[in-house]
Order: sequence, then C-alpha cells, then structure tokens
Amino acid sequence: QVQLQESGPRLVKPAETLSLTCTVSGGPINYYYWSWIRQSPGKGLEWVASISYTTRTNYNPSLQSRVTISLDTSKTQFSLTLTSVTAADTAVYYCARSPTDGPNYFDSWGQGGLVTVSS
Amino acid sequence: DIQMTQSPSTLSASVGDRVSITCRASQSISSWLAWYQQKPGKAPKLLIYKASILQSGVPSRFSGSTSGTEFTLTISSLQPDDLATYYCQQYSNYPFTFGPGTKVDIK
Repeated sequence: QVQLQESGPRLVKPAETLSLTCTVSGGPINYYYWSWIRQSPGKGLEWVASISYTTRTNYNPSLQSRVTISLDTSKTQFSLTLTSVTAADTAVYYCARSPTDGPNYFDSWGQGGLVTVSS
Repeated sequence: DIQMTQSPSTLSASVGDRVSITCRASQSISSWLAWYQQKPGKAPKLLIYKASILQSGVPSRFSGSTSGTEFTLTISSLQPDDLATYYCQQYSNYPFTFGPGTKVDIK
C-alpha cells in the first residue's frame, strides 16, 4: 500500500518561497505520475503541478510563472517550490499519485499539510 | 480551462435514501471524469474514475454514469459513513479542474 507524506515549513512569509517535499513509501516511484494539489476555503481544490517518472512536467497556467516541481527517484521524493507567495497561497497542500503516466485521476493522496502565508 | 459545476451544493437525506449528485463540464471531456469523497480534515479519496469505474475497495452502493457532458454520482442506499463532501474532477485537458463540491448531510 503506497503512502505519501508531505513535509516542509508550515509558515512562510509573504514574498518568500514555499518549499514542500513528498516522500513516497510502500511502492515504486517509477511508472507513475506525481502531483501537487492545494485546497483553500476560497478556491476549493486546485491542481498545481505534475511530474512524470521521466521528469516531464505540467503546470497550472495560473501558477506557472512561480512554480517548479521536481523528482528525486533515489530518495523516492518529489518536491514543490512556489515563489513570491502571498496570502492567497495559504492552503492545505496535498501530494498525490496517478496510476499511470500522463493526464489522470489521483488514486493515492498524502494527508495534506496546511501552509500559512503570513508575516 | 474546463469549468466544472456541481449540483446541488448541499444535500440532506436519510439513511437508506438513494442520492444523486450531478457534475457538468463546460465542454466535452469524453469519460475522463473522477469522483472523490472528502471527509472533514482528511484528504480526498478516489471513488470512481473514467466516469463509471468503481475504484477497488469502494462499496458497490456508489456508482457513476454519464450523458454527454453531464455526469452523475449515485449512492444507492445512503449510510452514516457517507457524510462527506463529494467532488468531481476532469482529466481530459490540462489544467485538471475540480467541481466546487457537494456536501452530503445525514438527516
């Protein structure tokens, strides 16, 4: 049973960079598609970015200028960085897995972590 | 972006009732639609993918159907454990988009 666990600072100052890591255990990181999704009270569930095991990336155009997703297969981790954050980036951030490479649904999710942007 | 709408936004029903939630896409997404259940304080859980395929381990009282750009999630006999918010998600086009959710309360 694959498990995903988000880690990273939960409080980020405005204009700084949000960095989160998702550690994958109990299953391989290869041959799957890995994503970040966030949920805020004002905007519901919002897909942020995805990366394939071949490191092909896709980003939400609304965030593309500020977001980077990366994969470290040796550590079975993938990461998210979001620059120049504002209060609008306050949300619960989930990492998730899709069962095959490419556009897909999300069959496994991490428990999520609330990241607050505040000075 | 493909816009997803859901109705109703909230639903109150009794244990044993048949319950249906509708999701509409702003353009054709074929059958590239998933349904999720989210309980308070928890991550969403996949229920159905490709509009009508039940995810392994999900009770058979959940089912999905489609008619054009309208999709329906049905709970055949509502159980107390089904108290949750339900979301649809399209994965036909980037960016993936979710519906605003339907909150199901038990009377």
